[in-house]
Amino acid sequence: EDKVVQSPLSLVVHEGDTVTLNCSYEVTNFRSLLWYKQEKKAPTFLFMLTSSGIEKKSGRLSSILDKKELFSILNITATQTGDSAVYLCAVEARGGSYIPTFGRGTSLIVHP
Amino acid sequence: DAGVIQSPRHEVTEMGQEVTLRCKPISGHNSLFWYRQTMMRGLELLIYFNNNVPIDDSGMPEDRFSAKMPNASFSTLKIQPSEPRDSAVYFCASSLDRGYEQYFGPGTRLTVT
Repeated sequence: EDKVVQSPLSLVVHEGDTVTLNCSYEVTNFRSLLWYKQEKKAPTFLFMLTSSGIEKKSGRLSSILDKKELFSILNITATQTGDSAVYLCAVEARGGSYIPTFGRGTSLIVHP
Repeated sequence: DAGVIQSPRHEVTEMGQEVTLRCKPISGHNSLFWYRQTMMRGLELLIYFNNNVPIDDSGMPEDRFSAKMPNASFSTLKIQPSEPRDSAVYFCASSLDRGYEQYFGPGTRLTVT
């Protein structure tokens, strides 16, 4: 059975701090790993990673995938209160279904 | 584009009643997903359609749950009869096709008393 584990479960920081969120996975026939941000509503897409070692970047957020060690990290630099959210990691497998398996998420709280 | 549209946004019903949740995916998207999210279990995939055809419904909890997609712009998730343990937020998401990122609707918060 495919498995996605995120750590830490929760994180409390102050504005300006840098945070690193982790996602490890066990999946047969890995295809892609996706990061989503969920505030008090629906998840919104951040990144899709398919290749090892290539950093994806969007403003203060960046993410990288290690397909050998089976994990990904999401970095947020100079955090702001608006970064407070649950960050979800999902992994898709090759094959006919492309069904994503989601982790339980990391809850990030950024205090002013 | 209006994004994925779901209705109703909130639903409160009594145990035993039928509940129907509705979803309109983003125009041009071929894949549609129904999820359920609870504090206890996180985000769970219930069923996935591609080109209006159900591809995988292994996440549907039991026979009380059913989903249809009669055309490319509309899908329903029905619970009959509803039970208190069905209380959750139900999300619909769509993607351009298999393997693309998903765009989530605002969700329907269901409370079954």
